[in-house]
Amino acid sequence: DAKTTQPNSMESNEEEPVHLPCNHSTISGTDYIHWYRQLPSQGPEYVIHGLTSNVNNRMASLAIAEDRKSSTLILHRATLRDAAVYYCILWGGGGADGLTFGKGTHLIIQP
Amino acid sequence: EADIYQTPRYLVIGTGKKITLECSQTMGHDKMYWYQQDPGMELHLIHYSYGVNSTEKGDLSSESTVSRIRTEHFPLTLESARPSHTSQYLCASSVHGRNTEAFFGQGTRLTVV
Repeated sequence: DAKTTQPNSMESNEEEPVHLPCNHSTISGTDYIHWYRQLPSQGPEYVIHGLTSNVNNRMASLAIAEDRKSSTLILHRATLRDAAVYYCILWGGGGADGLTFGKGTHLIIQP
Repeated sequence: EADIYQTPRYLVIGTGKKITLECSQTMGHDKMYWYQQDPGMELHLIHYSYGVNSTEKGDLSSESTVSRIRTEHFPLTLESARPSHTSQYLCASSVHGRNTEAFFGQGTRLTVV
């Protein structure tokens, strides 16, 4: 299975934009790039996903590099409620047919 | 708001007991999943199902078993609980395919004493 690499943790200030990077150099052409987040003591929550083009929704934006070997999740204006572990996941055709979570990035938001 | 429910939220049980963790969804999703997560660690896929009468093993080997008799219901069973089974178990569901989002339940935190 293609793997992703994310920083262990990042810190940002409230009301500022946050850019969470993800490297996936072994991505295949059919792998979708998914982002989920997990707040303390809760199940993961879907954030956004895409294949090739940049994507926007009410929660965030996903910027995908032209070669698809990296992507960036953008939170446009962070709030304290955005403090969570953010997972970048490739969902492709190999292995078990489900989301394969890594360690993710622990996002800390300072007031 | 996701319509996927897990019961119980917390369970403390003695070694050797048989337990069943319940998971139900009202979204009509064919695909369902079980994940296991130790504190502070990543989630591991242990079982998934494509629909009624379908069950598949995930990436992480597990002594638990699952069944899928109804579309909305995907229970997980441990025949004889052991302290090594202490963990959080998370259920999820989605429609078929990878161009979709998965909805997760709140999880069941299991402690075997």
